[in-house]
This record gives sequence, C-alpha cells and structure tokens, in this order.
Amino acid sequence: DTAVSQTPKYLVTQMGNDKSIKCEQNLGHDTMYWYKQDSKKFLKIMFSYNNKELIINETVPNRFSPKSPDKAHLNLHINSLELGDSAVYFCASSQDRLTSGRFGDTQYFGPGTRLTVL
Amino acid sequence: RKEVEQDPGPFNVPEGATVAFNCTYSNSASQSFFWYRQDCRKEPKLLMSVYSSGNEDGRFTAQLNRASQYISLLIRDSKLSDSATYLCVVNLDTGRRALTFGSGTRLQVQP
Repeated sequence: DTAVSQTPKYLVTQMGNDKSIKCEQNLGHDTMYWYKQDSKKFLKIMFSYNNKELIINETVPNRFSPKSPDKAHLNLHINSLELGDSAVYFCASSQDRLTSGRFGDTQYFGPGTRLTVL
Repeated sequence: RKEVEQDPGPFNVPEGATVAFNCTYSNSASQSFFWYRQDCRKEPKLLMSVYSSGNEDGRFTAQLNRASQYISLLIRDSKLSDSATYLCVVNLDTGRRALTFGSGTRLQVQP
C-alpha cells in the first residue's frame, strides 16, 4: 500500500499550458506539503496545508495554486507554465505533534512528479 | 550564510570505511533535526532523527552540537547500498511549521 502517492509521475508539456499534479496520503496525517527540487537538487518548500487550511505559502509565483479538498489530498495547479518550472515536485505529509509543540516532524514523501516544460 | 549548509561531496569511500558528514544550521533556536536519505531519482526518506544526547541506529550515529550549531552523521562499515545523497534537515523555527533541507552530501561507496 502506497503511503503518499502522486500522479502523474512524469509530465512533459509546452510553455504556456496549464497542468495539475495530484497527491493523496493514506497515513491519516493532518499536514501536507508541496516541495520543488530543481536541477541542483535543492529541495524547497512551496506550500503547506494543515487540516485543509493553508499555513505556509512561500514566495512562489501566483501561477501556482494549491487546493486541498480534504486532509488526505493536496493538489497543485500550475498556470501558464514556464521553462523555469521544470523540476521534480514532491508531495509530503506529516502528523503535527501539537502537544509537544513540534511541527513539520518526520515527513513522508511521495515518489515525485518530474515536470519538463518545453 | 545558508540556513542549512552541507558539503556537497561527493565522498568516495571503499566498502567497510567509516565516513562522517557535518551540517551547520543558522538558527540557534532550532528544535528538530533529522537526516534523510535520497537515492538517485527517488524521494527523500527519513534515515534518523537527531536527539540532543546523540543517538545510534545500527551502523549510523547522529550527533547534535547546539553550541556550534551543527549536526553530524557517522556511518561505520560502509556498504555499497549506502551510496546515496544524505540530506540534513532542520526545523529552523517551530512557529513556521516547516522543515528546511540542506542541499545534500553525496556518498559513493566503492567495491
């Protein structure tokens, strides 16, 4: 059973198109994330949702819009794709330990979506 | 100064060697520390958390030095299967509720 799944695994598209990436977790976690890993392998957080509420929104172009229909799903929609958007996008989830005040603990990652913009 | 900084390597070591990686972080108030492992074209996976007193998991030992703001990972008796990129991960600010990843240190264990 896949804990965090993403679709599609590969996405090749033309500049200017709009595309979506879907993520689902079956771990019962309440927090989900989107990360971007560029060609230099640097992993940067983009968004985080806790119980469907946006809690982190990094400096990301507003062409990127996350949507969380429920706490097991976090989708990423990208408008007007640009060459620089080519990267691997990882979804992740974690269970916030509110009682200990620790957040962003032990994150479980999906397999990634390799986006190539031509 | 980068928020979480690692030597990118690569570290090329023979099987059976002991190898150590260090990582420095910028915020002295950081609360949580981890080492993740990422294989080529795969997702990052938690290797181990790093506790204040240091901790060991088989051949892997993690240490935290709060005074100098660095964490370390020691791998003993390296195996070919240890070849991967090791990511230093820090929760720099619990209020922000996010982990910050270092750029990774690449390890290549050779036969």
